[in-house]
Amino acid sequence: AQKVTQAQTEISVVEKEDVTLDCVYETRDTTYYLFWYKQPPSGELVFLIRRNSFDEQNEISGRYSWNFQKSTSSFNFTITASQVVDSAVYFCALSEAMGGGTSYGKLTFGQGTILTVHP
Amino acid sequence: GAVVSQHPSWVICKSGTSVKIECRSLDFQATTMFWYRQFPKQSLMLMATSNEGSKATYEQGVEKDKFLINHASLTLSTLTVTSAHPEDSSFYICSARGYHRGYGAVDIQYFGAGTRLSVL
Repeated sequence: AQKVTQAQTEISVVEKEDVTLDCVYETRDTTYYLFWYKQPPSGELVFLIRRNSFDEQNEISGRYSWNFQKSTSSFNFTITASQVVDSAVYFCALSEAMGGGTSYGKLTFGQGTILTVHP
Repeated sequence: GAVVSQHPSWVICKSGTSVKIECRSLDFQATTMFWYRQFPKQSLMLMATSNEGSKATYEQGVEKDKFLINHASLTLSTLTVTSAHPEDSSFYICSARGYHRGYGAVDIQYFGAGTRLSVL
């Protein structure tokens, strides 16, 4: 069975602070995919990143960065110099790899972390 | 901009009536569509997976006769909550999976903005 744990239920920071959202996963699959989504107050989940378990390189996209540590089954997300617009619920998700690793199956979501960035 | 349109965003209905929710993929064809249910401050719970032209696959514990899914085309799926009762009140989110040019050649699951259903 797959499981995603986001231990931080809520995080509150002041603008310009850096913040890291933790994600720990459990899976018996040798290959899998990991995702992060952002759910702002409007409700629509916004795709942030998809990572294959083969690729352990960290990724940076603007103020966002992701640290994938296969040894500790973690896929943490860091926002640098946070802004008020970053306030949202962030979900980490896991899926088994399919099609020889080129595709993925159903997403298993974590409980989400509510991030509030104060001005 | 949005790549998945979900309508309506909010609906209130009387107990015993049926409610239909539409989910459309915009500017791309969805290989698969998903329906989720989200309770306040909780995660997304997958209800069913549907592919165009075939019957939906429901998750364990989800009543297929209660939650009717029709996937009429590669861009449209509908969820009908039949004979709705107060316990069906929830936030329903649809998702469409495919390749959207705005995200390059990456197979991604895109989400609608959700429908808040309140059954009186």
